[in-house]
Amino acid sequence: SQQGEEDPQALSIQEGENATMNCSYKTSINNLQWYRQNSGRGLVHLILIRSNEREKHSGRLRVTLDTSKKSSSLLITASRAADTASYFCATVGRGSNDYKLSFGAGTTVTVRA
Amino acid sequence: EAGVTQSPTHLIKTRGQQATLRCSPISGHTSVYWYQQALGLGLQFLLWYDEGEERNRGNFPPRFSGRQFPNYSSELNVNALELEDSALYLCASSWDALAGLYFGAGTRLSVL
Repeated sequence: SQQGEEDPQALSIQEGENATMNCSYKTSINNLQWYRQNSGRGLVHLILIRSNEREKHSGRLRVTLDTSKKSSSLLITASRAADTASYFCATVGRGSNDYKLSFGAGTTVTVRA
Repeated sequence: EAGVTQSPTHLIKTRGQQATLRCSPISGHTSVYWYQQALGLGLQFLLWYDEGEERNRGNFPPRFSGRQFPNYSSELNVNALELEDSALYLCASSWDALAGLYFGAGTRLSVL
């Protein structure tokens, strides 16, 4: 089963608007990572937030993490057409050598010109 | 610096055949991960190799197997192909999974 679950499944916004998507997970984590996938190609690592961090920024991206609720959010500000993609959250479990990333089903974002 | 490379880009097979997918990691990365992404779905973890050893395996039948070579490149083999094996197979490499993965563009396998 998937560790991460993204919400919503799909999002359509106008260029210049902000896009927010959420991720919930089930077990304790070492860190949570967000990836972008364009048109069924490989994934690109966007940002990583550790379990002891609450917020992180990278350019137009802002990620928050609430370990008490086992949830994270990704905010893309001032969206552009090039932001049209699927976004996945992935978690690395805590306390083991099990360093595989578990991915959610993704949020598909469409930015309209 | 070259990224993760996968070959072939597309692969068409028929039911019952075998498929071999290849992956070359980024130079200096010792870990290789394989994921399956069926159409419209998320990524399902298949296999993790590190330093030539299989470190972890996802919930897939034994006909999915692989190996990692001394140069850290990797092969994924799928035997006795079934229609539901049709998917995008993604390889990723890392020097430290805690720091994130670098993905290749994938091999799209179609089983007819």
